[in-house]
Amino acid sequence: DTGVSQNPRHKITKRGQNVTFRCDPISEHNRLYWYRQTLGQGPEFLTYFQNEAQLEKSRLLSDRFSAERPKGSFSTLEIQRTEQGDSAMYLCASSLSGTMKDYEQYFGPGTRLTVT
Amino acid sequence: QKEVEQNSGPLSVPEGAIASLNCTYSDRGSQSFFWYRQYSGKSPELIMFIYSNGDKEDGRFTAQLNKASQYVSLLIRDSQPSDSATYLCAAGRSGYSTLTFGKGTMLLVSP
Repeated sequence: DTGVSQNPRHKITKRGQNVTFRCDPISEHNRLYWYRQTLGQGPEFLTYFQNEAQLEKSRLLSDRFSAERPKGSFSTLEIQRTEQGDSAMYLCASSLSGTMKDYEQYFGPGTRLTVT
Repeated sequence: QKEVEQNSGPLSVPEGAIASLNCTYSDRGSQSFFWYRQYSGKSPELIMFIYSNGDKEDGRFTAQLNKASQYVSLLIRDSQPSDSATYLCAAGRSGYSTLTFGKGTMLLVSP
């Protein structure tokens, strides 16, 4: 399977704990995006990388959130001191850079986070 | 606030009918538009994209774009029960690589 993969698929954690999610993009894609989706809403942009550079962060990404893509391949999203409001589906997408191509984003299966 | 608006539905159509899903956007800088299908509990799947005014057809799907009216639509011909899902409309703005999504329209196709 050469699609976007994410791990874990589900995570249940207690409030105040730290969690880390991993995303492996489509191999030839140099752009990687993180979105968050809650029930009844569309995905909301969090941050994106081109290769290893983090180029944009949403104001939704509080200082408890950090994302890395150290070698321009896989990426991790860490949430520190989780809160119940962090419960959501965390989606990773990837694309090629280039005219219009960077908009054609392909999503992974997501990581569902539940904070109790 | 750059917004993409969709009727949440549900839109109910009988099997074999044409389903028409609509989307409006507020940012006139938006240049590219996408339709994603999302089954319950699953992630969004890209099914159509359109960059130019007019129609774009792909199999049973037709995307329509009217930039003057800031309106995008998706037509699904010969609707099947397997088309029952939430359809998300998304817009991309020139110079930015992120997409702004609507809340989605739930489509229910009854046998």
